[in-house]
Amino acid sequence: GDSVTQMEGPVTLSEEAFLTINCTYTATGYPSLFWYVQYPGEGLQLLLKATKADDKGSNKGFEATYRKETTSFHLEKGSVQVSDSAVYFCALSDRAGSNYKLTFGKGTLLTVNP
Amino acid sequence: GAGVSQSPSNKVTEKGKDVELRCDPISGHTALYWYRQSLGQGLEFLIYFQGNSAPDKSGLPSDRFSAERTGGSVSTLTIQRTQQEDSAVYLCASSLNSGTSGTVQYFGPGTRLTVT
Repeated sequence: GDSVTQMEGPVTLSEEAFLTINCTYTATGYPSLFWYVQYPGEGLQLLLKATKADDKGSNKGFEATYRKETTSFHLEKGSVQVSDSAVYFCALSDRAGSNYKLTFGKGTLLTVNP
Repeated sequence: GAGVSQSPSNKVTEKGKDVELRCDPISGHTALYWYRQSLGQGLEFLIYFQGNSAPDKSGLPSDRFSAERTGGSVSTLTIQRTQQEDSAVYLCASSLNSGTSGTVQYFGPGTRLTVT
């Protein structure tokens, strides 16, 4: 079946540091890939997505590139801020009939210190 | 516009009691999903609705769990004879039925269920 593996952390960085959160996946079909973020006390929200190989998703300074050859979708940001402190989830959506359910990684807690 | 809403936000119940969790999806979204977020298992898919039908119930952990959706809108997840291992945050998400895996799911704030 489908699965997503991401570095579990926690990750602690200083403000303006470079961030990478690794994510690899296993899927039988041609999935779309997502990063969702959960800020403290808030619900899950989409950060970015990519729907085919070599696509780059980007939002709020975060980027991730869909790499089919390495089955990866690593999240990067060049300069993190305190406000980026949150839990980040990598996910894939693959078709099963009309069901496009999401399969999630375990989540990575990021803490950014001033 | 209004997002996905869920109620109650918190529910504490005694072991053995039944509970109902409600989800109001975004208007016009025909697809609705329930997920469960727990410390040990992470985020897990429970059930998928397309309109009022549930073509995929494969994630429901036992026959104590059931769900329905009426009018193509509100959904209720029912857990009968609750057990302590049912303690988790139950998340609802909705999406348009665009027929592609890139369709974005929008999540509600969740219901935190605690079984004592």
